[in-house]
Amino acid sequence: EAEVAQSPRYKITEKSQAVAFWCDPISGHATLYWYRQILGQGPELLVQFQDESVVDDSQLPKDRFSAERLKGVDSTLKIQPAELGDSAMYLCASSLDSRPGTSGGRAKNIQYFGAGTRLSVL
Amino acid sequence: GENVEQHPSTLSVQEGDSAVIKCTYSDSASNYFPWYKQELGKGPQLIIDIRSNVGEKKDQRIAVTLNKTAKHFSLHITETQPEDSAVYFCAASKGSNYQLIWGAGTKLIIKP
Repeated sequence: EAEVAQSPRYKITEKSQAVAFWCDPISGHATLYWYRQILGQGPELLVQFQDESVVDDSQLPKDRFSAERLKGVDSTLKIQPAELGDSAMYLCASSLDSRPGTSGGRAKNIQYFGAGTRLSVL
Repeated sequence: GENVEQHPSTLSVQEGDSAVIKCTYSDSASNYFPWYKQELGKGPQLIIDIRSNVGEKKDQRIAVTLNKTAKHFSLHITETQPEDSAVYFCAASKGSNYQLIWGAGTKLIIKP
């Protein structure tokens, strides 16, 4: 069964350092999401891509976070510099196609998640 | 914007008994309501979903009910088993961009 791949699984860094997370969505999925999940809470959307374009990055702290999906396939989320409050699970998800009006029915809604990257900032 | 509240935060049930988790949403335009299960160290996994044109949906031991008037939906798990122990999240979205607004999660504990 196809899966969303994320790496690394765990990352420990010191504050003020740069960190990067990588995500490879399910083949053929046009929409890619990055979420942050703090322990004991639901996922919070950071950025949504449709192919290589950003659909929504309103919740992305742009002073330190950046995300790219240059060829519309895999994606990288970067934090520079990392702060203590960035310690969390970073989840990547993909779905078939989030564009309104395109075919796909129920399958369009379903988001498939990777195992996440657990970030600890010391 | 949309807000999703989920209760209870922790639910402990005896193996074999039923478990019910409830969510309310605020935006009447929301029309898609998935439930995700998250096991320790893993990403959330979809277990069942429902659209606003349906009142109830079942899949073996799992069912979801939706009350559009009251703006709440519930997850029902019957004949609970140890492998049902996990954190369950409800979510809601509208059709414009399929973004999910998530509840805070319910930790389900199945006692042997």
